[in-house]
Amino acid sequence: EAGVVQSPRYKIIEKKQPVAFWCNPISGHNTLYWYRQNLGQGPELLIRYENEEAVDDSQLPKDRFSAERLKGVDSTLKIQPAELGDSAVYLCASSLDQGGSSYYNEQFFGPGTRLTVL
Amino acid sequence: GQQVMQIPQYQHVQEGEDFTTYCNSSTTLSNIQWYKQRPGGHPVFLIQLVKSGEVKKQKRLTFQFGEAKKNSSLHITATQTTDVGTYFCAGPLQGAQKLVFGQGTRLTINP
Repeated sequence: EAGVVQSPRYKIIEKKQPVAFWCNPISGHNTLYWYRQNLGQGPELLIRYENEEAVDDSQLPKDRFSAERLKGVDSTLKIQPAELGDSAVYLCASSLDQGGSSYYNEQFFGPGTRLTVL
Repeated sequence: GQQVMQIPQYQHVQEGEDFTTYCNSSTTLSNIQWYKQRPGGHPVFLIQLVKSGEVKKQKRLTFQFGEAKKNSSLHITATQTTDVGTYFCAGPLQGAQKLVFGQGTRLTINP
């Protein structure tokens, strides 16, 4: 079974430039997450999708970040314009969850995209 | 707001020594998950605990969920170099449908 696929693996851009990350979750997983992980910290949720619906985007900086999950399968996360503080690893994860439940199944993480903003 | 705290932040041991990391929540958790992240890698699920006082074992790893469901621990017996990495606990945030990760405990081992 293929795991969560992310691309690119690394991205170096100058500040104020746009950047986009792509994620393809495990086949059949209805829930998709985007996390940001700063060095030495745990993953922090940016947005969570159940199928194509964003059910939690409270931590997504909406002035510069956007995300979409068309057709409820793969997803893109965009930053425009990027700032120096956006340098981090952006992780995508997927799981098979029951909607509205606080019981979470294991999350399968992709390899992440390491973003460096110069 | 609700927080999930882990201690210690770093732990360095000699190979063969035991290791324990502790996870504490400011609120009661319905369940708790543990993940391991190898250096340069991504988090990988280890286990989920649901019941009060639950203890689960995976070979040399022992996971406990506190009676009050506000704390948890991971204990590794006789560490090996393959245990190197950062161990995260994660619990669901009350009132919202998301997991909150602790800041992790980074384990390094002297062979």
